[in-house]
Amino acid sequence: DAKTTQPNSMESNEEEPVHLPCNHSTISGTDYIHWYRQLPSQGPEYVIHGLTSNVNNRMASLAIAEDRKSSTLILHRATLRDAAVYYCILDSGAGSYQLTFGKGTKLSVIP
Amino acid sequence: AAGVIQSPRHLIKEKRETATLKCYPIPRHDTVYWYQQGPGQDPQFLISFYEKMQSDKGSIPDRFSAQQFSDYHSELNMSSLELGDSALYFCASSSPGEPETQYFGPGTRLLVL
Repeated sequence: DAKTTQPNSMESNEEEPVHLPCNHSTISGTDYIHWYRQLPSQGPEYVIHGLTSNVNNRMASLAIAEDRKSSTLILHRATLRDAAVYYCILDSGAGSYQLTFGKGTKLSVIP
Repeated sequence: AAGVIQSPRHLIKEKRETATLKCYPIPRHDTVYWYQQGPGQDPQFLISFYEKMQSDKGSIPDRFSAQQFSDYHSELNMSSLELGDSALYFCASSSPGEPETQYFGPGTRLLVL
């Protein structure tokens, strides 16, 4: 399985944008890039996913590099509620959608 | 909107006992996934079911079994419990329309003494 690399932790000030990077240099052509987050004491929560083009939804934006070897999750205005562990996960979409969680990035939001 | 329901939310068992965790997916979702998250660890995939058939298997111990019923709810049966089984157990479900997106429940916290 293709692996992802994320920073262990990041900090952001409240109401500022946050850019969470993910490296996936061994990504294959059919791998989707998923982002989930896990708030303290809660189950993981879907954030966004994409294949090649940048994606936007009400929670975040996903910027995918042209060579697809990296991606960035963008939170446009961090709030205290965004403090969580963010996971970047690759999924081949070939019928098996199990999620393989790596270490993730722990985001702290400073008031 | 309806979410994934898991019961019980908390469970305390003794070593060598059995436990049954239940998961009720979002209505019209046909796929259920089970994950285990040990203390300070990341979630690990255990097993999944699609249309009541096992679709994928991860690092699930032989002491554990699971099934999905005709109403699409799922149960994870755990026997001969060990101290190391103490963890959060999450269930997630997905729909036919967006099979790549999983919606997680709040989890069952199992403590084995």
